[in-house]
Amino acid sequence: SAVISQKPSRDICQRGTSLTIQCQVDSQVTMMFWYRQQPGQSLTLIATANQGSEATYESGFVIDKFPISRPNLTFSTLTVSNMSPEDSSIYLCSAIRTGGSNYGYTFGSGTRLTVV
Amino acid sequence: QQQVKQSPQSLIVQKGGISIINCAYENTAFDYFPWYQQFPGKGPALLIAIRPDVSEKKEGRFTISFNKSAKQFSLHIMDSQPGDSATYFCAASIKGTYKYIFGTGTRLKVLA
Repeated sequence: SAVISQKPSRDICQRGTSLTIQCQVDSQVTMMFWYRQQPGQSLTLIATANQGSEATYESGFVIDKFPISRPNLTFSTLTVSNMSPEDSSIYLCSAIRTGGSNYGYTFGSGTRLTVV
Repeated sequence: QQQVKQSPQSLIVQKGGISIINCAYENTAFDYFPWYQQFPGKGPALLIAIRPDVSEKKEGRFTISFNKSAKQFSLHIMDSQPGDSATYFCAASIKGTYKYIFGTGTRLKVLA
């Protein structure tokens, strides 16, 4: 399965600022996703990162707040814009290769964001 | 209808015992049901997965039991070890989308 590197692993940011999280996969993957996980909580899908086109956002998440890029098949970024303390969370990148019978995700180790 | 309900929230098992975590769903469009294991500070890792045309799947000490009519599936960890102490998430994939709906998680602690 693919190996995902996510940077930064953690950050403490001032409210009102923005943070860009990078996700690099070691091989070409079909689909990439961004999830949010509150500490001790479940995972919630933010959006599907589409290569060369606008991301597809889930209900409750908007492009102005969480702009996403995916310029090629192995790299994506998520920006958390105009941050508030409510954005403090763990942000996880995931990827899959489709076409087989087993399409389990691979996840990065996550970015732990604290907004003060 | 998009929810996946997971129980229990936490579980304590003696070393060598069987850990059982249950999940239930409503949406019949789900066609893929993976289980993930997550250690503190790490991303979730795929443990085992099943499709609804199979009633049971076993990989080592981990077994998924699937009851399509009841819309329930469960993870059984046989001979539980302290190294199995982690948070376990069930999930369901919406057919054709590859997007996952995750359960709320079960924090498992295996006592030595």
